[in-house]
Amino acid sequence: IVLTQSPGTLSLSPGERATLSCRASQSVSSSYLAWYQQKPGQAPRLLIYGASSRATGIPDRFSGSGSGTDFTLNISRLEPEDFAVYYCQKYGSSLTFGGGTKVEIK
Amino acid sequence: HLQLQESGPGLVKPSETLSLTCTVSGGSISSSSYYWGWIRQPPGKGLEWIGSIYHSGSTFYNPSLKSRVTISVDTSKNQFSLKLSSVTAADMAVYYCARESLWLCSGGSCYSDYWGQGTLVTVSS
Repeated sequence: IVLTQSPGTLSLSPGERATLSCRASQSVSSSYLAWYQQKPGQAPRLLIYGASSRATGIPDRFSGSGSGTDFTLNISRLEPEDFAVYYCQKYGSSLTFGGGTKVEIK
Repeated sequence: HLQLQESGPGLVKPSETLSLTCTVSGGSISSSSYYWGWIRQPPGKGLEWIGSIYHSGSTFYNPSLKSRVTISVDTSKNQFSLKLSSVTAADMAVYYCARESLWLCSGGSCYSDYWGQGTLVTVSS
């Protein structure tokens, strides 16, 4: 399964809403889809698993949705610390990552 | 508080074998609730899952790397290890070890809820 993330780069201002897309080449069974945030020089941080479940300690401005082949990560109001690269991941019988979306300050 | 720490040579010669160890502290690698995995990231590029292991020794590998990868576990030391043979420049990357949670997950791979800080491995003669 290939995961395609769009857009490649999202230029937004703090306080704005971010919508990130992850499209799979085949249906993702059991909604085995996760989202990670990665800042420069740091390891990725788990945000969402099971397509829509927030990981421990993740603020509720982060939300995931979708099923089948189309998934979305929404950040309701961007905080300065949210500017980073975001990856989606399909797991289960096989594991792949999307190519990432960079959310940058406009 | 769970911590994972990668260790191993930062420089490997082409055609040789890359060997890394991940030491887990603050939790038991023998827990039935987790896999333990390796993920890598070439400089400036995206993430690639290498494979994972259960405390019993069952392994799951990325098909594209399977012929060169061995992951093993030492429960007595609370460690798991990665060996990647016949390395080339394409294997130069930051290598992360991670815990994969089996909560609401089944199959050979799961989402990673804890990560090590990563270690850069350079391939050069």
